[in-house]
Amino acid sequence: DAGITQSPRHKVTETGTPVTLRCHQTENHRYMYWYRQDPGHGLRLIHYSYGVKDTDKGEVSDGYSVSRSKTEDFLLTLESATSSQTSVYFCAISESPGRKNSPLHFGNGTRLTVT
Amino acid sequence: GQNIDQPTEMTATEGAIVQINCTYQTSGFNGLFWYQQHAGEAPTFLSYNVLDGLEEKGRFSSFLSRSKGYSYLLLKELQMKDSASYLCAALILTGGGNKLTFGTGTQLKVEL
Repeated sequence: DAGITQSPRHKVTETGTPVTLRCHQTENHRYMYWYRQDPGHGLRLIHYSYGVKDTDKGEVSDGYSVSRSKTEDFLLTLESATSSQTSVYFCAISESPGRKNSPLHFGNGTRLTVT
Repeated sequence: GQNIDQPTEMTATEGAIVQINCTYQTSGFNGLFWYQQHAGEAPTFLSYNVLDGLEEKGRFSSFLSRSKGYSYLLLKELQMKDSASYLCAALILTGGGNKLTFGTGTQLKVEL
């Protein structure tokens, strides 16, 4: 299994509070991704990183920010959580997604509930 | 924009063959992935096609036609454990790197 850990695994928070989810990898992979998964929508890309301090937006980036200050950690922050951000969040890593032997490997997910 | 379509649900019989189709319209296309996801679990990698043609891996095969914007996943000798969601995803080249855009998934139910 790819060495990828998400924390926390479950979180319940109140509307308006800040929340940070952490993705930690031990593979030294270049690329890291944050997705959210909701019924009827599948996996949607929030933000991704292609190197330390190099990040870009995905299709559903509003209300989210990210930081990657070192290779192994990619943080996703909800500045002021809303109920629409209740979801399962997956982190994924890859050294080079276009290479055949380097697909995205996913973490086990974080289930976030905003009340 | 990016558009990836696949059927929402399919049902098949144990021991049979099933084909799950995926069509895409994307800019910067650089390959097509298939993932399997069991309920409550993370997606796991099945296959990757970058060139036209068929890739075979055991009971699973995947096909890509870049000119038609079309791919399929073929599952042979279906087993009950193959009941899962199958996700089609396009690899997109951007100025900042590579990103993977997913379809909404096909929920496959294998019955006796």
